[in-house]
Amino acid sequence: ETGVTQTPRHLVMGMTNKKSLKCEQHLGHNAMYWYKQSAKKPLELMFVYNFKEQTENNSVPSRFSPECPNSSHLFLHLHTLQPEDSALYLCASSQERVDTQYFGPGTRLTVL
Amino acid sequence: GESVGLHLPTLSVQEGDNSIINCAYSNSASDYFIWYKQESGKGPQFIIDIRSNMDKRQGQRVTVLLNKTVKHLSLQIAATQPGDSAVYFCADARMDSSYKLIFGSGTRLLVRP
Repeated sequence: ETGVTQTPRHLVMGMTNKKSLKCEQHLGHNAMYWYKQSAKKPLELMFVYNFKEQTENNSVPSRFSPECPNSSHLFLHLHTLQPEDSALYLCASSQERVDTQYFGPGTRLTVL
Repeated sequence: GESVGLHLPTLSVQEGDNSIINCAYSNSASDYFIWYKQESGKGPQFIIDIRSNMDKRQGQRVTVLLNKTVKHLSLQIAATQPGDSAVYFCADARMDSSYKLIFGSGTRLLVRP
């Protein structure tokens, strides 16, 4: 998958650690998204960036901190997470805010 | 899409048969609908979308049907193949400034050889 890439693919961290997830899109899109996918819930939108500006924060706890330095890169900084934050974190991008979203492969996060 | 609870519905079909995956949505103001396929260990992959001014749209081996009266969406897969085994998600959104995809919990499709 070369359209939207995510690193790392797997991450195990303790509750006191600080780590970052990285997303890069090679599609020339202007909007980028973070989603959380848990085993027993539908995909949950976390953050939306449009032209590098955050346009949506879906009541996400402050222990998740997004960063979008340019339209091609998106980060999710993690600190003092809880075990219930263990999930698949998916990044997506779209040409414009209302266009089809294309997803990356996700980062499987486990918080011990 | 709407959450259908904790249990992921499963559809088992014979290879070569047609598959029909159903989805209900709750927002009558939604005007954009999309289907994604997610294979194990991968992110969701776009299959097909449809806007509310249409009731049917066809792609390669897939057809999406929209019934706005009963707020129902379906994905039909013709001549189902083993590679079609995956979880299928529907999502809906309003095409205005508050555009946000609302995902259903998904349906697992198992293709029997």
